[in-house]
Amino acid sequence: AQSVTQLGSHVSVSEGALVLLRCNYSSSVPPYLFWYVQYPNQGLQLLLKYTTGATLVKGINGFEAEFKKSETSFHLTKPSAHMSDAAEYFCAVSEGDSSYKLIFGSGTRLLVRP
Amino acid sequence: GAVVSQHPSWVICKSGTSVKIECRSLDFQATTMFWYRQFPKQSLMLMATSNEGSKATYEQGVEKDKFLINHASLTLSTLTVTSAHPEDSSFYICSASEESSYNEQFFGPGTRLTVL
Repeated sequence: AQSVTQLGSHVSVSEGALVLLRCNYSSSVPPYLFWYVQYPNQGLQLLLKYTTGATLVKGINGFEAEFKKSETSFHLTKPSAHMSDAAEYFCAVSEGDSSYKLIFGSGTRLLVRP
Repeated sequence: GAVVSQHPSWVICKSGTSVKIECRSLDFQATTMFWYRQFPKQSLMLMATSNEGSKATYEQGVEKDKFLINHASLTLSTLTVTSAHPEDSSFYICSASEESSYNEQFFGPGTRLTVL
């Protein structure tokens, strides 16, 4: 069965500092991997996704993530945090089969200190 | 592109009444739609998956007679919470996927349901 683990329910960084949000997954088949962001009382917005090809994926708002099969990881990074990045971030995995189901991690709340 | 809307954005109802939430894909045909429930400060829990013209597939533990899902067209799915109770109060989010999107789901803005 698939699962997603996000280490750290809260991550706090200073404005301008590196952002690193961790995501590890388990999947019996090559996964499709996603990072979503959620602002309060809103739905989810896709930041980036990995399906096939290049393992370093660039997304919106300066975020990127690298798929590391050997480590079963898909960590999200951003070189310099901005106050507007404060939100909840969810990592998700799909097996890429016809079910299209996403399994979400528990989420990480990013706090950005001025 | 790939915009999903939900209506209403929030609703307050009395215990025992039924509430219908609509989910629409505005600029694409959604072969599959999903309904999630999110409690405060928690992750999204998948309730059910629906394909146009077919019965919804419910996740384990979700009462299909309480949460009625209809996916009558490629752009509209509805979730009806029947005989709502205070414990049904939650944030309900729908998403939609089109066949060629590498399993990417496009999410609606969510509906906040409060049952008094």
